[in-house]
Amino acid sequence: DTAVSQTPKYLVTQMGNDKSIKCEQNLGHDTMYWYKQDSKKFLKIMFSYNNKELIINETVPNRFSPKSPDKAHLNLHINSLELGDSAVYFCASSQEMRGTEAFFGQGTRLTVV
Amino acid sequence: ILNVEQSPQSLHVQEGDSTNFTCSFPSSNFYALHWYRWETAKSPEALFVMTLNGDEKKKGRISATLNTKEGYSYLYIKGSQPEDSATYLCAFPRQAGTALIFGKGTTLSVSS
Repeated sequence: DTAVSQTPKYLVTQMGNDKSIKCEQNLGHDTMYWYKQDSKKFLKIMFSYNNKELIINETVPNRFSPKSPDKAHLNLHINSLELGDSAVYFCASSQEMRGTEAFFGQGTRLTVV
Repeated sequence: ILNVEQSPQSLHVQEGDSTNFTCSFPSSNFYALHWYRWETAKSPEALFVMTLNGDEKKKGRISATLNTKEGYSYLYIKGSQPEDSATYLCAFPRQAGTALIFGKGTTLSVSS
């Protein structure tokens, strides 16, 4: 069983389109995250949700909107895609305790053309 | 904004060499320090989570130490193997129960 799963794994789309990336975790964790891997492979936090509530919203354009229908899901919707949005996006989850590790999905490679 | 610094940025060793990397982090309001291993085309996987000053953890040939008073952690790999080639990330939760802030990683390449 995959602990944290993201779909799709690859996404190629045109500028201006709206797209969503889905994330589901079956670990019973109460906190989920979206990270963006930049061109230098650096992981930057975008959003953090705890029990379906937004906890962290980093400096991310308003075109990016996370949606958490329940504790096990955190989807990322992106409006009006731009070339600069091309990156690998990772979903992760953890239990809200300081000593617990984060589990990552396999990543979604988004390419905007 | 908290900064996590890692050094060196990259490292190339021969099979059998032992090596170590450094992670430095703000020592105030410490919660935990995480180490992750990130292989190419895969997702990061946790190696260690350390919470107490003086913690030492070990998994096979890999071990880590933690000094929260001075704000650093070392990751050691004994007898490096080609399969150890990966990027090693350290991360620090901004606050308890919140997202991890990652360093830029140390990329290790082990030649046979």
